[in-house]
Amino acid sequence: QKEVEQDPGPLSVPEGAIVSLNCTYSNSAFQYFMWYRQYSRKGPELLMYTYSSGNKEDGRFTAQVDKSSKYISLFIRDSQPSDSATYLCAMEGFSGTYKYIFGTGTRLKVLA
Amino acid sequence: DGGITQSPKYLFRKEGQNVTLSCEQNLNHDAMYWYRQDPGQGLRLIYYSQIVNDFQKGDIAEGYSVSREKKESFPLTVTSAQKNPTAFYLCASSLGQGSYEQYFGPGTRLTVT
Repeated sequence: QKEVEQDPGPLSVPEGAIVSLNCTYSNSAFQYFMWYRQYSRKGPELLMYTYSSGNKEDGRFTAQVDKSSKYISLFIRDSQPSDSATYLCAMEGFSGTYKYIFGTGTRLKVLA
Repeated sequence: DGGITQSPKYLFRKEGQNVTLSCEQNLNHDAMYWYRQDPGQGLRLIYYSQIVNDFQKGDIAEGYSVSREKKESFPLTVTSAQKNPTAFYLCASSLGQGSYEQYFGPGTRLTVT
C-alpha cells in the first residue's frame, strides 16, 4: 500500500462547477498537508497548505484535513478553464526519519 | 527575480551516454531536491541535499549522481546505468528540511533513444 493515494483522473467538469479533489494517507506522523498545482510541462507550485486538522480557505479554494480519517480534500468553487491542471497533494512529517511525499496527482479539466 | 532555473528545457541523448541536468537557485535556500516525474507515478525523489557538500539518496537513486559544491547549484547526472532515463526531471529547493513549501524549477524533459 502506498503511503499517499490519489485518484489520477482525469476529472472533467463544466465551468462554474464545484470540484472536489482528495487524497488518503496511511502515516499518522504527517503534520503538514499541501496542495500543489502543476500546469502542463511546468513545475508544480504551492497552492495551499494546512497544519494538522481543520479547514483553510483562500478565495475560491478550500483545503480540509481530517486526521482521524487520514483524508484530505481540496475544493474549488466556481471552477474556471484556467483551473485546468494537475493537482498534487503532498504531506510532511517526521517519524524516525523525515518524510515529504507527493501523491500521484489528479488531472482536472474545466470545460468552457 | 528570485527562483529556480533548470536547463535545458528539452534534452535528447543516445543510449549509453551520460548527461548532466543543470539546476540553479537564487533563493538562498539550504535544501535542494531532484525528482523524476513519470505519467501515473507522481514525483519520486532521486537525491536531496540539506547543505553544501552533503547529499543523500532518495527513493530511486540508482543510475544517478549529484554534487553540491555551491549553495546555489545542484546538478544531476543521469548515467548510462539508469535503465529507463526518459522522463521529466524537476529540481526543487526549500529553506531546509522541515519547511512545508518546496519551490520548483520549470523542469527538463530528457529523451534517451
